[in-house]
Amino acid sequence: EAAVTQSPRNKVAVTGGKVTLSCNQTNNHNNMYWYRQDTGHGLRLIHYSYGAGSTEKGDIPDGYKASRPSQENFSLILELATPSQTSVYFCASGDATTSAETLYFGSGTRLTVL
Amino acid sequence: GQQVQQSPASLVLQEGENAELQCNFSTSLNSMQWFYQRPGGSLVSLFYNPSGTKHSGRLTSTTVIKERRSSLHISSSQTTDSGTYLCALERTGNTGKLIFGLGTTLQVQP
Repeated sequence: EAAVTQSPRNKVAVTGGKVTLSCNQTNNHNNMYWYRQDTGHGLRLIHYSYGAGSTEKGDIPDGYKASRPSQENFSLILELATPSQTSVYFCASGDATTSAETLYFGSGTRLTVL
Repeated sequence: GQQVQQSPASLVLQEGENAELQCNFSTSLNSMQWFYQRPGGSLVSLFYNPSGTKHSGRLTSTTVIKERRSSLHISSSQTTDSGTYLCALERTGNTGKLIFGLGTTLQVQP
């Protein structure tokens, strides 16, 4: 089965600090995604990537950067964390070999910014 | 406004009862997907359903594009079905980039 691993599982950060969330997939999928999930908003797309070296802005990219140094790894970076970025973050991978793309999600990272 | 609306927001069943979860969308789509989110967080894909009806065990998904709706039917519910069910719209020309509904939280009591 497809495997997507996120780290850390939980993170507490201070306002203004730098936070890096990591995601690793062993599926050899081209596409990777970062979502955040908040009560009342559901999951929203932050950044995505179609392969190593590429990153694209999603629907809510402000305050976030992304990095895809390899096929397997996709990081989400908060350069100056703010309390409004307190959320649960999910990474997903997928491979649209046809027009269909099933996404495989990690277990999530719970981030609290104080 | 919310492009993907799910109903009901929550549902309580007795084990063995059936459930019908609804998803309505207000934009053109490439496909509709259904996910199950376990208590504690991770999401599991249930169906990728661009149109028509698909079956998987006790689950059935039906998408009717011209009516802008999709449904998930759970038959003979079990306590292990408890959790949150999310539908997600894949926009035309935006493969893999999903717009999620807020979910239906299902509790199946023994």
